[in-house]
Amino acid sequence: DAGVTQSPTHLIKTRGQQVTLRCSPKSGHDTVSWYQQALGQGPQFIFQYYEEEERQRGNFPDRFSGHQFPNYSSELNVNALLLGDSALYLCASSLAGVISTEAFFGQGTRLTVV
Amino acid sequence: QKEVEQDPGPLSVPEGAIVSLNCTYSNSAFQYFMWYRQYSRKGPELLMYTYSSGNKEDGRFTAQVDKSSKYISLFIRDSQPSDSATYLCATPGNTPLVFGKGTRLSVIA
Repeated sequence: DAGVTQSPTHLIKTRGQQVTLRCSPKSGHDTVSWYQQALGQGPQFIFQYYEEEERQRGNFPDRFSGHQFPNYSSELNVNALLLGDSALYLCASSLAGVISTEAFFGQGTRLTVV
Repeated sequence: QKEVEQDPGPLSVPEGAIVSLNCTYSNSAFQYFMWYRQYSRKGPELLMYTYSSGNKEDGRFTAQVDKSSKYISLFIRDSQPSDSATYLCATPGNTPLVFGKGTRLSVIA
C-alpha cells in the first residue's frame, strides 16, 4: 500500500501565477482533505472533497479551488499566487463517515512563491 | 479564542528525560483528541488518540485528557534523539481536524 502520495514534492512559482497540486489517496479511501501549513504553524483546513464535490471549506479565499476525480484522486488549484501562499500543502485521505482519527497524511508539497 | 492552543516551544531536553507536551482546547463538546508527530519536511503521522477523558498508553508514550480543565497532554518517557520532531495536538472540531501550532522538540544525546 503506497499510502497517500502527493506531487510534486517542491515547486517554486512567481507571484500572480497559478499552481496545481495533486494527491492520490490511500487505497480504499474515498475522501480527501487539503491543509495549508505555514512555517512554524499547525496545518489549517482548506477544504474536503467526497463524491467529487466540495463538502466542507475552511476560511480560505476563492483563489483556492479543488477537484476530485472518479478514482478519488484530487487536485488543489491556487490562482493569483501571493507571497503569503508559500507553505507546505498537505493532503489527507480518509473514509467517509469515519472519525478523523483514521485520516492519513501525505508528505506534502512545499510551495515557494517568489 | 482559538479552538486549540499549543505552546510552540522550542523544547530541548537531554536523552532519557521525561517530556511533557500540552494543549488546551475551547469547546467542551470535543471528544476525540489526537497527537501527531511531524519530522522535518514530512507530513504528520498519527501517534495516538484518546476519546473523552482519561489516559492512553502506547510504549513510551502516554496521552492524557482532562475535560474539566480542557487540557490535553502527551508524555514521552525515556526520550530518544529519534523523538526529535514537531508534535501537533488536534481534534475534530468545526472542521475535519483542528490543529495546535505544534511544539518543536529536540532530544540531545
